Amino acid sequence: QSVLTQPPSVSGAPGQRVTVSCTGSSSNIGAGYDVHWYQQLPGTAPKLLIYGNSNRPSGVPDRFSGSKSGASASLAITGLQAEDEADYYCQSYDSSLSGYWVFGGGTKLTVL
Amino acid sequence: QLQLQESGPGLVKPSETLSLTCTVSGVSISSNTYYWGWIRQPPGKGLEWIGSIYYSGSTYYIPSLKSRVTISVDTSKNQFSLKLNSVTAADTAVYYCASGPPGFFDSWGQGTLVTVSS
Repeated sequence: QSVLTQPPSVSGAPGQRVTVSCTGSSSNIGAGYDVHWYQQLPGTAPKLLIYGNSNRPSGVPDRFSGSKSGASASLAITGLQAEDEADYYCQSYDSSLSGYWVFGGGTKLTVL
Repeated sequence: QLQLQESGPGLVKPSETLSLTCTVSGVSISSNTYYWGWIRQPPGKGLEWIGSIYYSGSTYYIPSLKSRVTISVDTSKNQFSLKLNSVTAADTAVYYCASGPPGFFDSWGQGTLVTVSS
């Protein structure tokens, strides 16, 4: 069980907007540590989608956006496309114990 | 362009040591821009950060594996390595090497499946 909680699954029809939540605590997101998001297409390595809460690497469409508030963060995908069907992971830093990087449990996005 | 490639045995016996190497191309592993890390993903499950190393040699490990893990750098070969000892079936996973600025990973290897079985 990860210290960052994500819904196991979300779904939406093509063209719709969906959001994926990532809920942490006072030792990670709530402590001010940045949140990063990754997309993992079936059978492939994860790909960085959002870094530093809301920044997109070069080449990532502006349909993807990130936000953070308090101890939670969200990934929003607008204009949903079939190729967006993938697993999405949030990632941050947790200061408990000796400190470590942590991933959320992942969310499976299904495009209906 | 930075590229990463994992290599190592795909099958390891229980209680033995898992050893993987990540070959870096396109940038010097001695660069002070990047952290170099290992992440694993058990079949059908989520991602787990294992540990990272900085060019200075500073290492960082997930507390749950700290007693069994060693990450090191070989600057002469532009590689970094993972050793995980006393493995069990629970260590069966796809192992990724990755790199990035402090805090996140913007380059990933393709991953290599390591199965722990006798």
